[in-house]
Amino acid sequence: SQQGEEDPQALSIQEGENATMNCSYKTSINNLQWYRQNSGRGLVHLILIRSNEREKHSGRLRVTLDTSKKSSSLLITASRAADTASYFCATDAFGGAQKLVFGQGTRLTINP
Amino acid sequence: DTGVSQDPRHKITKRGQNVTFRCDPISEHNRLYWYRQTLGQGPEFLTYFQNEAQLEKSRLLSDRFSAERPKGSFSTLEIQRTEQGDSAMYLCASSLGTLTTDTQYFGPGTRLTVL
Repeated sequence: SQQGEEDPQALSIQEGENATMNCSYKTSINNLQWYRQNSGRGLVHLILIRSNEREKHSGRLRVTLDTSKKSSSLLITASRAADTASYFCATDAFGGAQKLVFGQGTRLTINP
Repeated sequence: DTGVSQDPRHKITKRGQNVTFRCDPISEHNRLYWYRQTLGQGPEFLTYFQNEAQLEKSRLLSDRFSAERPKGSFSTLEIQRTEQGDSAMYLCASSLGTLTTDTQYFGPGTRLTVL
């Protein structure tokens, strides 16, 4: 089955720096979504990018999608301590069921 | 609060007991999903409903698991004869159910600990 895989598994940066996380998947998709999860909490939806889109922005977030490489990246600019969380990409299969397939996530730590 | 809600937030039970979780989706969302997340992993799909119809079940959903959405609104997930391996966070999500873009909004989860 398809699976998103995030890279790196853990990232630690200083407050104010930019953070980039990557995601790869295996099969054709309808959409790719990024979620944030604070420790022990539910997932918060950040951004959805459709398979026919290449780039999308939302505030300090920038997401790119390269369907030829089956990969996506999430850039968080001017990071803040509150951005400390785990970040997951999730894909849903083109023409298939609506279930999301998640990777293992990137654990982001922002140091003050 | 108009988000997805789940109850209880935490459940501790002894092995062999039955447990039931409830999920209330965002109003007018047609689709409702259940996922399970173990420590250090991403969520894994369990099952989903379109209104009251259960349309897909994962192989992770053994015979001990059953989910219902009787009136197309709230849903329940029951685990019978719990095992220690069932310990996890159980997440519920809902979505409008449009054809192309279908953002899933998650609840806070129910953390199950089986002793």
